[in-house]
Amino acid sequence: DGGITQSPKYLFRKEGQNVTLSCEQNLNHDAMYWYRQDPGQGLRLIYYSQIVNDFQKGDIAEGYSVSREKKESFPLTVTSAQKNPTAFYLCASSTLTGSRVYFGPGTRLTVT
Amino acid sequence: SQQGEEDPQALSIQEGENATMNCSYKTSINNLQWYRQNSGRGLVHLILIRSNEREKHSGRLRVTLDTSKKSSSLLITASRAADTASYFCATDSTGANSKLTFGKGITLSVRP
Repeated sequence: DGGITQSPKYLFRKEGQNVTLSCEQNLNHDAMYWYRQDPGQGLRLIYYSQIVNDFQKGDIAEGYSVSREKKESFPLTVTSAQKNPTAFYLCASSTLTGSRVYFGPGTRLTVT
Repeated sequence: SQQGEEDPQALSIQEGENATMNCSYKTSINNLQWYRQNSGRGLVHLILIRSNEREKHSGRLRVTLDTSKKSSSLLITASRAADTASYFCATDSTGANSKLTFGKGITLSVRP
């Protein structure tokens, strides 16, 4: 059963704490992405990676960090520097950047 | 930066009617893609149309692309209540490090 998994589905944190969102894919895709979705804002790109041990900032990278130590995994850390972290976070992957993208089910993060 | 802009923002139709959604973009593209999102879920790829294509069909979906007007339309024929979802267009711009940029989405409601 191939696909992208994100865990957990719901995550609650106190303000000031860092939190790491998991993303794993078994599609053998080179490219992986993190998007943030807010109501009425559509999807905004946080970070993306085209190859292991390399990644680029997207449009809203401030307050976030990522790593790509393995091809299958692209975890996202929401740091305490992110001023408005409550959102729906979507991980995705594709064979190449710009080709069809496969999305995970998302993680809804609530910070209070 | 938001490349694709969908129109209308919301659409409500009766089951059996056709639904037409539009997307406009600003820069040259390699391809344009349409995705669907059910509430609280990840996005699902519907169709990809390349810049040298003008029309593409997939089941009840028909996509057109007019690169001179920088616009695309998604037509869903004979709509069903199960088509109720948000629909996003995404563009893959030309140039180095191209990546998909999503619009804000269209909320489609199909009344049974």
